[in-house]
Amino acid sequence: DQQVKQNSPSLSVQEGRISILNCDYTNSMFDYFLWYKKYPAEGPTFLISISSIKDKNEDGRFTVFLNKSAKHLSLHIVPSQPGDSAVYFCAASSIQTGANNLFFGTGTRLTVIP
Amino acid sequence: NAGVTQTPKFQVLKTGQSMTLQCAQDMNHNSMYWYRQDPGMGLRLIYYSASEGTTDKGEVPNGYNVSRLNKREFSLRLESAAPSQTSVYFCASSERGSSSEAFFGQGTRLTVV
Repeated sequence: DQQVKQNSPSLSVQEGRISILNCDYTNSMFDYFLWYKKYPAEGPTFLISISSIKDKNEDGRFTVFLNKSAKHLSLHIVPSQPGDSAVYFCAASSIQTGANNLFFGTGTRLTVIP
Repeated sequence: NAGVTQTPKFQVLKTGQSMTLQCAQDMNHNSMYWYRQDPGMGLRLIYYSASEGTTDKGEVPNGYNVSRLNKREFSLRLESAAPSQTSVYFCASSERGSSSEAFFGQGTRLTVV
């Protein structure tokens, strides 16, 4: 059973506009969330993370929002650039339980149109 | 700065053959992981090693074995490959387990025929 879900397999956005990628999770024990970006034929690379004690974390053009009550997080990219075209994975873990597993969503393919 | 290096990048096996996927990291990380990525499934953890000398099962360990040879190296072995093990395999490492970002290798695309 998928504990981290990315319900949109793909998203297309015009260059310069905002990209919003969504992620839902089911396990209330998750307390640390990450976004990874993946280009074809490469491994995922870390983008940004957020702890459950926060509801927002910002790093340059990337902002992650966490809504714990809704078990939902989103990644905002502003402004979107053609180089942002990639597959984005949401991941979650439970630090408080000491677990070493990162649970990944199925990914959203973002295409930024020049 | 090599980061996480996996070998080989591509491999075709016949059903029943065995092979070992190699992984090495040069970041002095304590934790290392093996994931597999299948279409529509995201990345799923096969095995992990929280520290040198320890290994634990992840979500999908059946059909695999691992060895944490030293702090740098973590290998994944398929003793008798099956078509269901056709996948892309990623090795990763992190400094403090799941509470810190993981760094991934480039992946091994394995096809079992």
